[in-house]
Amino acid sequence: KAGVTQTPRYLIKTRGQQVTLSCSPISGHRSVSWYQQTPGQGLQFLFEYFSETQRNKGNFPGRFSGRQFSNSRSEMNVSTLELGDSALYLCASSVAGQSYEQYFGPGTRLTVT
Amino acid sequence: AQSVTQLDSQVPVFEEAPVELRCNYSSSVSVYLFWYVQYPNQGLQLLLKYLSGSTLVKGINGFEAEFNKSQTSFHLRKPSVHISDTAEYFCAVSVIGGNKLTFGTGTQLKVEL
Repeated sequence: KAGVTQTPRYLIKTRGQQVTLSCSPISGHRSVSWYQQTPGQGLQFLFEYFSETQRNKGNFPGRFSGRQFSNSRSEMNVSTLELGDSALYLCASSVAGQSYEQYFGPGTRLTVT
Repeated sequence: AQSVTQLDSQVPVFEEAPVELRCNYSSSVSVYLFWYVQYPNQGLQLLLKYLSGSTLVKGINGFEAEFNKSQTSFHLRKPSVHISDTAEYFCAVSVIGGNKLTFGTGTQLKVEL
């Protein structure tokens, strides 16, 4: 079975721009979670989608948003990028949204200049 | 809310020596406990998890961890480390039945010859 895939793997954007990151979960998995990893704040939960509905959201500003499609693929969007948004963005998928069976993708490294 | 404390940011150890990475958690409700490993430029890989039952949990690559409810700890151990174990290790918790992981700040394990 193919693992979680994330595209692109690396991205460079300028302050003020917006960006969209994509995540394809493991086949059969209906839940997708997003995490931000930075040296200063560590790993922080962004949000989780299950069957196209956002079920849980972390403490991030409204510039961070996401969605999930009927095939369970998910995208997250960050608008009006700030330097502090530079991070590794990790996506994790699970069958039914239970945390004990989350599988992580390799991440998208976003650099904001 | 849950929190996780990993007191050691870096642990240097010689190859074939034993190692223990410490993790303490705080939660007002019962939780699941996890250890993840992250190699450079990669996502997170699950090493082991404690859901219920025996407090000694065995994982991949020869790692094990012991859940101690009275001390709210979940320390990770390996009796003999290898150079290839050099990586960052994250302890995490989630509420039972929940869909969100709360991570510690990570411990960088550096195995030296």
